[in-house]
Amino acid sequence: DAKTTQPPSMDCAEGRAANLPCNHSTISGNEYVYWYRQIHSQGPQYIIHGLKNNETNEMASLIITEDRKSSTLILPHATLRDTAVYYCIVRDSWGKFQFGAGTQVVVTP
Amino acid sequence: DVKVTQSSRYLVKRTGEKVFLECVQDMDHENMFWYRQDPGLGLRLIYFSYDVKMKEKGDIPEGYSVSREKKERFSLILESASTNQTSMYLCASSLQGASNQPQHFGDGTRLSIL
Repeated sequence: DAKTTQPPSMDCAEGRAANLPCNHSTISGNEYVYWYRQIHSQGPQYIIHGLKNNETNEMASLIITEDRKSSTLILPHATLRDTAVYYCIVRDSWGKFQFGAGTQVVVTP
Repeated sequence: DVKVTQSSRYLVKRTGEKVFLECVQDMDHENMFWYRQDPGLGLRLIYFSYDVKMKEKGDIPEGYSVSREKKERFSLILESASTNQTSMYLCASSLQGASNQPQHFGDGTRLSIL
């Protein structure tokens, strides 16, 4: 079973920041949080990952709470092309990626 | 950028056929993976490989086999295709070494078994 919980869907206005929450209350001290997204009919695209510090790259920012039990992916200026299913993932004890249902994000004009 | 290429985007085969799905990565990654994705079931790991000629079973290996003769290529084989193997198949690769390496995916092969 996936070790994360995400809302099933959310809407975001074009040009605004999209904040995607994820709960991972059973995460262990050395486990990383990964974010992927999947646009319809394409493979999952890697976005960002982190351990405990906040991370930023050209696509997004990742904010991890101090207790590491939750995180937020921030898309700073959402565009229509950011419409996708977003997956928050913690590797399981065997090192495997377990994809849950994710959050369907719809960016509207 | 990492490039994972799957040989076909769409494939239609008949029940009982032997089906080969090919995957090639260009980043010298040691690890390669095969998943299938079905509505409501998410991604499920079929097989993975940590090195040339090495393979490990994932969560749903039944009815499948794999081949890794070269580092950059990982093939998934459906020995005798059945209709319940109709699915989206995704290949991924990652670096070995530190446990935090992300997996990078191809665009998938949508396989239909008639």
